[in-house]
Amino acid sequence: DAGITQSPRHKVTETGTPVTLRCHQTENHRYMYWYRQDPGHGLRLIHYSYGVKDTDKGEVSDGYSVSRSKTEDFLLTLESATSSQTSVYFCAISESRDLAPQHFGDGTRLSIL
Amino acid sequence: SQQGEEDPQALSIQEGENATMNCSYKTSINNLQWYRQNSGRGLVHLILIRSNEREKHSGRLRVTLDTSKKSSSLLITASRAADTASYFCATDAVRTSGTYKYIFGTGTRLKVLA
Repeated sequence: DAGITQSPRHKVTETGTPVTLRCHQTENHRYMYWYRQDPGHGLRLIHYSYGVKDTDKGEVSDGYSVSRSKTEDFLLTLESATSSQTSVYFCAISESRDLAPQHFGDGTRLSIL
Repeated sequence: SQQGEEDPQALSIQEGENATMNCSYKTSINNLQWYRQNSGRGLVHLILIRSNEREKHSGRLRVTLDTSKKSSSLLITASRAADTASYFCATDAVRTSGTYKYIFGTGTRLKVLA
């Protein structure tokens, strides 16, 4: 399995609190992605990174920010969590953006009460 | 509705039977990928087919792509209980407004009965 670690694996927090999820890779892949998975919606891309300090928005980026200060780490931050952000969050990595498989972490289950 | 919709939503078969699931998409693509997700785990890449390919095999997996119909199918032959999982197709949708899009479908839940 590709070396991808997501932390925490589970988190319960309250509306309005800040939340940071971490994705750590040991594969030295250039591209990193954050997705959320919700019933009936499949996976939706939140943000992605194509290098250190280089990030761009996905299709559901409102309410989320990301940072990548090192090749191996990609952080997803919910500045002020809302109940609609309750979801399972997946990090993925790939060697290139196109024509390359994405390798996924095992997800973070986030519940916002 | 979104790019990359799988059909059927759920499928239940006996061990040893073949399982076929379909994916339809709306816009032109460069490639289409299939992934498997076991319960509580992340997605695992199965196979990638380029837009200029019509069929691809990998072990017990056979993927076809029909760009004229904007559809793909995944066939799992001689299914096993371990194939029980959700299966997703993913397409690289055309970029709009400079925003990169890589679209996953909602998945087919396959249950293989021993």
